[in-house]
Amino acid sequence: ETGVTQSPTHLIKTRGQQVTLRCSSQSGHNTVSWYQQALGQGPQFIFQYYREEENGRGNFPPRFSGLQFPNYSSELDVNALELDDSALYLCASSVTGNYGYTFGSGTRLTVV
Amino acid sequence: AQSVSQHNHHVILSEAASLELGCNYSYGGTVNLFWYVQYPGQHLQLLLKYFSGDPLVKGIKGFEAEFIKSKFSFNLRKPSVQWSDTAEYFCAVIGGSGNTGKLIFGQGTTLQVKP
Repeated sequence: ETGVTQSPTHLIKTRGQQVTLRCSSQSGHNTVSWYQQALGQGPQFIFQYYREEENGRGNFPPRFSGLQFPNYSSELDVNALELDDSALYLCASSVTGNYGYTFGSGTRLTVV
Repeated sequence: AQSVSQHNHHVILSEAASLELGCNYSYGGTVNLFWYVQYPGQHLQLLLKYFSGDPLVKGIKGFEAEFIKSKFSFNLRKPSVQWSDTAEYFCAVIGGSGNTGKLIFGQGTTLQVKP
């Protein structure tokens, strides 16, 4: 079985710019969650997508948005980047109702 | 709000020493508990999980954890660590009925095992 694939692996952006991160979920999984992991911290839940709709959101501003596609892949978009957005962004896929999450290796975003 | 607390931020052990990492959560209802490991440069991997039943849970690579409901704790243990256990360890919880399956992670514990 394939795992969760995230792209790109590393990214450097300037404050105020916009960024799109991508995630291909594991085969057979229909739910995608996104997490932000700041340096030295545990991952924090951003939001989850199921059936192409947002299905739960953490304490993140609206400039963090996402999409899920019919093939269950997903995008995380962040507008008006701030320095504090620098972090590792993790994607996790699962089957709804089954808490067997598979995590990707993440995208390391640096905002300068 | 639910939270997870990991008391040990950085642990240094010699090979063959025993390991216990503390984890406490703040939620009074039904919880699902997890321990994840993140090896350097790799993705988060599930070590073990507790949903119900026997409170002593065995996971991969010789790890185990004990759920003590009265103490809101889910400590991770390993009798004898190896150099390859050097990694970041995260405790996580999903709590409440009808929730979206949002994982709430602790801050993490960095384990360094000296050969």
